[in-house]
Amino acid sequence: QVQLQESGPGLVKPSQTLSLTCNVSGGSISSGGYYWSWIRQPAGKGPEWIGRIYFSGITTYSPSLKSRVTISLDTSKNQFSLNLSSVTAADTAVYYCAREMGINYFDFWGQGTLVTVSS
Amino acid sequence: SYTLTQPPSVSAAPGKTATITCAGNNIGNKIVHWYQQKPGQAPILVIFYDTNRPSGIPERFSGSNSGNMATLTVTGVEAGDEADYYCQVWDSASDDRVFGGGTKLTVL
Repeated sequence: QVQLQESGPGLVKPSQTLSLTCNVSGGSISSGGYYWSWIRQPAGKGPEWIGRIYFSGITTYSPSLKSRVTISLDTSKNQFSLNLSSVTAADTAVYYCAREMGINYFDFWGQGTLVTVSS
Repeated sequence: SYTLTQPPSVSAAPGKTATITCAGNNIGNKIVHWYQQKPGQAPILVIFYDTNRPSGIPERFSGSNSGNMATLTVTGVEAGDEADYYCQVWDSASDDRVFGGGTKLTVL
């Protein structure tokens, strides 16, 4: 069974870059057939998809965030990462990594990590 | 961008049926997925491709999709079904994955 675990700073200052890593176990991100996504959820709101990466390195980003998002992967560590630049308080949320299947649904999720943007 | 609208709350007594709706323009032409989220936990996939249940999800959970409305139905509601439920689609026009605002299911 695939397991995902997010890690990174829980507090980021405004205008700085938010950086998170997702460690994948129980399966290889290099095996193909799946995409690896980042999703966030502000308190009391629905989830918001941020973007995804394929084992080949091909990325797709949410239109609303693409100017600030970079997703990369490290196959040697079986990890993928998120960078979100120029953050504001509106970027405060629980950030999840997830595996994306087929016609774009998410079958395995990490437990989530709260990132607060504040000075 | 594509928008999905869900009622904020739905309630049902134990053993009864709960119906959670997800409205979107011609959503019947899209593929809908549903997630259950309990407080402090990550979402769990309960329905994919409109009507399919992942392994481990009880048959009490079912989905349908037609016209401008998709529906998640929970029959024989149990206390453990109390949670937030979110619908989700892929919007091909923008290549975006869109979630609804969520519906809180309360078991009376």
